[in-house]
Amino acid sequence: QKEVEQDPGPLSVPEGAIVSLNCTYSNSAFQYFMWYRQYSRKGPELLMYTYSSGNKEDGRFTAQVDKSSKYISLFIRDSQPSDSATYLCAMRLNNAGNMLTFGGGTRLMVKP
Amino acid sequence: ETGVTQSPTHLIKTRGQQVTLRCSSQSGHNTVSWYQQALGQGPQFIFQYYREEENGRGNFPPRFSGLQFPNYSSELNVNALELDDSALYLCASRPADQLGEQYFGPGTRLTVT
Repeated sequence: QKEVEQDPGPLSVPEGAIVSLNCTYSNSAFQYFMWYRQYSRKGPELLMYTYSSGNKEDGRFTAQVDKSSKYISLFIRDSQPSDSATYLCAMRLNNAGNMLTFGGGTRLMVKP
Repeated sequence: ETGVTQSPTHLIKTRGQQVTLRCSSQSGHNTVSWYQQALGQGPQFIFQYYREEENGRGNFPPRFSGLQFPNYSSELNVNALELDDSALYLCASRPADQLGEQYFGPGTRLTVT
């Protein structure tokens, strides 16, 4: 079993829909949680960064962390075709420097 | 733009050969890490450097090695290439005093035949 699990999709939604992307993890020591967006053949782009549990909102994006359930989510409101990409969740231990543990990514397609 | 650049963009090597990939970070980004991303998978941590010294390594063999230079550039070297080394290699950096997360370069796509 992988340390971070993510449904690979693809997830196909109509433009304007609310998108929910999720990850589960097994290591309760993870403290930092991130969401990256990756377009085809490009490097990952940091979207959201959260420390410990709680919610964080940035524009159309909301990140939620539930450490008790070992479950994190990313919500995208008013989805656009330009949001079509692979979304990667990543996590880090408190004293792990740059070492991120990634999920396998969920491919999202937003259809006009 | 993340300020992290990588070269080359693509390259093709033969099994058994050696390869050097390069990364250039922003001024002040004195921590750098390298990741391997196989097709359809998430990135996997290879190692990280801080002030020109390796200070963390993932589950990769010693034939993966690196260097970090004072001018905020770094290298990833892979010896005795294997077919499974075919992947996108990503460099990421951040300032040591920044609590936020690291930023990735566009990657180098390596194909081993």
